[in-house]
Amino acid sequence: NAGVIQTPRHKVTGKGQEATLWCEPISGHSAVFWYRQTIVQGLEFLTYFRNQAPIDDSGMPKERFSAQMPNQSHSTLKIQSTQPQDSAVYLCASSTRDWGGQDTQYFGPGTRLLVL
Amino acid sequence: GQQVQQSPASLVLQEGENAELQCNFSSTATQLQWFYQSPGGSLVSLLSNPSGTKHTGRLTSTTVTKERRSSLHISSSQTTDSGTYLCAIHNYAQGLTFGLGTRVSVFP
Repeated sequence: NAGVIQTPRHKVTGKGQEATLWCEPISGHSAVFWYRQTIVQGLEFLTYFRNQAPIDDSGMPKERFSAQMPNQSHSTLKIQSTQPQDSAVYLCASSTRDWGGQDTQYFGPGTRLLVL
Repeated sequence: GQQVQQSPASLVLQEGENAELQCNFSSTATQLQWFYQSPGGSLVSLLSNPSGTKHTGRLTSTTVTKERRSSLHISSSQTTDSGTYLCAIHNYAQGLTFGLGTRVSVFP
């Protein structure tokens, strides 16, 4: 089991460019989560999918950010017109999300995004 | 929304000392997880403990759900325990809400 895979590990973009971040969850996990980590705000929840369906995007900035999960094996987080304040480590996690029991979220190594 | 408060913010230990980290949360949670984040960033789940006491290796977590608090006890600390310890809670259909963490530094 390779764990949660995130690519790229580092990304540098210029202000106004688009950034797409990829996540491959652990095989068999039905839930995928995206988080963002900055020194000032700490770790913040962005959005999550269960069985590929978007369930909660309450943490997503309303403009420029979007997430998709086209199949069980990957999810993408897209940031359009990137701004310097989008610089952060973006973390993806997956879990079994068993509604009848307890679930543990397992995190990928993160993508460090730097917007110049 | 849910809030998670961790204390202390930082902790310095001499190798071999024990430590107790605290986590208080503002609303009931169906899941509580303790994570370790190494200098350099990888997040590793240590324990899932929504209630009661759980052990793994030198770590013991005790969660008192009705008092909305959890603790993580590190026994016989080692230099490799240095890093940030994060507490996070969630209810089903929600993502994790994290505290800001306790930064632990263990010196030989």
